[in-house]
Amino acid sequence: GAVVSQHPSWVICKSGTSVKIECRSLDFQATTMFWYRQFPKQSLMLMATSNEGSKATYEQGVEKDKFLINHASLTLSTLTVTSAHPEDSSFYICSARDMTRPTYEQYFGPGTRLTVT
Amino acid sequence: GENVEQHPSTLSVQEGDSAVIKCTYSDSASNYFPWYKQELGKRPQLIIDIRSNVGEKKDQRIAVTLNKTAKHFSLHITETQPEDSAVYFCASPNTGGFKTIFGAGTRLFVKA
Repeated sequence: GAVVSQHPSWVICKSGTSVKIECRSLDFQATTMFWYRQFPKQSLMLMATSNEGSKATYEQGVEKDKFLINHASLTLSTLTVTSAHPEDSSFYICSARDMTRPTYEQYFGPGTRLTVT
Repeated sequence: GENVEQHPSTLSVQEGDSAVIKCTYSDSASNYFPWYKQELGKRPQLIIDIRSNVGEKKDQRIAVTLNKTAKHFSLHITETQPEDSAVYFCASPNTGGFKTIFGAGTRLFVKA
């Protein structure tokens, strides 16, 4: 149980275009999902917390108008990178917590590698 | 604010030896301490976790110890194998337990 999927697994886009990444919890309801960005040989940096039915909470330094997050259902959150630039190239990983369980364990998606040319 | 420091950043051991990675945290209210293993291009995988009411937890060759007074917790891998080579991250919830703060990671090399 507790499977999180992410789509696409990799994407290449041209500078100036937008890219949408989907994160789904397959066998549990996730009222809260998290979006991370990971540059090569670095740690996971939390970008934002996605809350079902409400606005996302962004970490300091993350542009909310550039990284649009929508959490329209209990099983789906999307991250849209708008007007992508080469410096946005990174590994984007989502995670979800099953808030009905008394545990802090997070379940991670497989990640999306974004390359902006 | 919340902070998790992890050491060392790189660790190289001979197959069969033990490896120890240490993390310190700043929030004394933290009560959950997971360790993740991440292979290149893959998602982080939870390998072991410990809660603040326990001082040590073991799972086969992996163990985690927690010292709440000193605010540090460590990952111990015994009888290391080449397939243990990966990046390991410690983590800790922030105040309130809503977000998870990750350490910088330790790149472990196990030489055959």
